[in-house]
Amino acid sequence: EAGVAQSPRYKIIEKRQSVAFWCNPISGHATLYWYQQILGQGPKLLIQFQNNGVVDDSQLPKDRFSAERLKGVDSTLKIQPAKLEDSAVYLCASSSSALREQFFGPGTRLTVL
Amino acid sequence: SQKIEQNSEALNIQEGKTATLTCNYTNYSPAYLQWYRQDPGRGPVFLLLIRENEKEKRKERLKVTFDTTLKQSLFHITASQPADSATYLCALDRGTGFQKLVFGTGTRLLVSP
Repeated sequence: EAGVAQSPRYKIIEKRQSVAFWCNPISGHATLYWYQQILGQGPKLLIQFQNNGVVDDSQLPKDRFSAERLKGVDSTLKIQPAKLEDSAVYLCASSSSALREQFFGPGTRLTVL
Repeated sequence: SQKIEQNSEALNIQEGKTATLTCNYTNYSPAYLQWYRQDPGRGPVFLLLIRENEKEKRKERLKVTFDTTLKQSLFHITASQPADSATYLCALDRGTGFQKLVFGTGTRLLVSP
């Protein structure tokens, strides 16, 4: 079974630029999550999708972050414009309704200069 | 506000010994508690889930306890090996509605030969 795929693995941008991350979850997983993990901290949930609908985006900085999951499969997370404090690893995870465990992708390490 | 605490300092132990990691929480009533392993440059990997009505759960060399009165979970690795060196994250799940995990900051475990 293929795992959660993410791209790119690394991205370096200057502040005020925009960036987009892509995630392809495990086939058949209805729930998709985007997390932000700052160095030395645990993952923090940014947004959660159930199929193609948003069920939780309470911690998403909506003035600069946006995410979509068209057709209920893969998803993109965008930051525009980026700030220095956005430097972090962005993790995508997916889960099925049958199990409570989440499966994580390798993450995208973003550096904002 | 809810708070999840894990030892921020790394835990250093010798190969063959039992490693014990702690997860304490406040202002939260999780129905489930999960433990994940995270290696550098990778996403977290699910290890174990324990329910609020379970006192203990085992899987091979791993053991998790869950005390809802003390608001604490202990994670044990018996007969530790250098390959067990990683960061271990605990995550709380309220269990109602759509699954939402809140992660601790993680504890880094170093097992020396």
